Amino acid sequence: EPEVTQTPSHQVTQMGQEVILRCVPISNHLYFYWYRQILGQKVEFLVSFYNNEISEKSEIFDDQFSVERPDGSNFTLKIRSTKLEDSAMYFCASWVALTQETQYFGPGTRLLVL
Amino acid sequence: QKEVEQDPGPLSVPEGAIVSLNCTYSNSAFQYFMWYRQYSRKGPELLMYTYSSGNKEDGRFTAQVDKSSKYISLFIRDSQPSDSATYLCASGYSTLTFGKGTMLLVSP
Repeated sequence: EPEVTQTPSHQVTQMGQEVILRCVPISNHLYFYWYRQILGQKVEFLVSFYNNEISEKSEIFDDQFSVERPDGSNFTLKIRSTKLEDSAMYFCASWVALTQETQYFGPGTRLLVL
Repeated sequence: QKEVEQDPGPLSVPEGAIVSLNCTYSNSAFQYFMWYRQYSRKGPELLMYTYSSGNKEDGRFTAQVDKSSKYISLFIRDSQPSDSATYLCASGYSTLTFGKGTMLLVSP
């Protein structure tokens, strides 16, 4: 069964460093998402991506964040200068089309900023 | 206002019980309603989804949506210890708004 994969599973970084989280969405899916979950809190939407551009973003997704689909399979989230409060689980999700099925989530990357 | 509210629990039941999990939402524009299961420190795993109102059944799981009252339910029949997890409801259209999740504990 196709699935969304994410790497790395865990990342530890120093405050102020740049991190790149990687995702491989399900191959025939068209919509791509990043969500995050701070420990003990709700899963929160960050950004959606369709047709090689951002289609929607939340207020969390400020200038420190960027997304990219560098090739036909990968989807990345970059945090330019990490802060302590960026520590969270980051989930990638993909969706084949808005009128079909729903979003499937990857296993997540646990980011710890020290 | 984009809010989904869910009782965090924990909800403890004996094996074999019928479990009822519920959410309310506030945005009338929401069209998709999902239930995800999440084990500790893992990604949300899709259980059920419905589009607009109505019921949907899949094995031991039944999802119900009542758009008139903005109420979302998940019923689990013959609950098993392996069902112990946090259950997340989510709704929206192109993006999802999640509830905080209800922790379910099914004891043998």
